[in-house]
Amino acid sequence: AQSVTQLGSHVSVSEGALVLLRCNYSSSVPPYLFWYVQYPNQGLQLLLKYTSAATLVKGINGFEAEFKKSETSFHLTKPSAHMSDAAEYFCAVSPVTGNQFYFGTGTSLTVIP
Amino acid sequence: DAGVTQSPTHLIKTRGQHVTLRCSPISGHKSVSWYQQVLGQGPQFIFQYYEKEERGRGNFPDRFSARQFPNYSSELNVNALLLGDSALYLCASSLQQGAGGYTFGSGTRLTVV
Repeated sequence: AQSVTQLGSHVSVSEGALVLLRCNYSSSVPPYLFWYVQYPNQGLQLLLKYTSAATLVKGINGFEAEFKKSETSFHLTKPSAHMSDAAEYFCAVSPVTGNQFYFGTGTSLTVIP
Repeated sequence: DAGVTQSPTHLIKTRGQHVTLRCSPISGHKSVSWYQQVLGQGPQFIFQYYEKEERGRGNFPDRFSARQFPNYSSELNVNALLLGDSALYLCASSLQQGAGGYTFGSGTRLTVV
C-alpha cells in the first residue's frame, strides 16, 4: 500500500528565509511523487513532480524537491520565502502503473514579514 | 484554454438529500477523477473514469456513484447525505489514465446541515 507522511502540520518562516517542507513516502517500489499547493478556497495547483527522471526536480515559483530513494523522502525547498508562498502544501504519491494519488495530510506554511 | 471546470462552486444540502456535482475536463482529456477533501485533511480518492468506464474506486460507500459522458464530462452523485459528507469535492482530468499528468479544478464546497 502507498502512503505519505508530511512532518509538521504547520511551518512558519520569515520572509527571505529558507523554506523546507518534509515528505516521506511508503512504497515497495519507487513511485511517482508530487507536490501541490492549495490557496484558500481554491483547488490544487501542481508545483512539481518526480517521474523517475532526474532526482532533483525544479518546479514553479522557485520551488524544488529532491527524490532520495535511500531515505524514501521527497522534501520541498525554496531558498527565499515570499509572502505569496503562504498556503497549504500537499505531498502526494502515485504508483507508476496506478491511476490515483495518495495525499499527505498537508503542511500549512506561514510567512512572517 | 479553459481548465477543469466544476459546478456548482458552493452547495448547501440537508441530511438525507441527494446531490449531483458536475465536472468538465480540459478539452481533449479523456480521464476524470474525483477526490473528497475534508477540512484539515488531504484529498481522498473516490473514483476514476477513463473513456467512460470506471477504472478505479476508493474506499467510499455505495451512496457515492459517478459516471462519465460521451463528451468526457462527469457527474458525481451522493445519496442519503450525511453530515460527514461535508467537504470540498475536487475533480481532476488527464489525457490518459495514469496519474502523472492530472490537472485539478477549483472544487465544489458541499455543506450538509
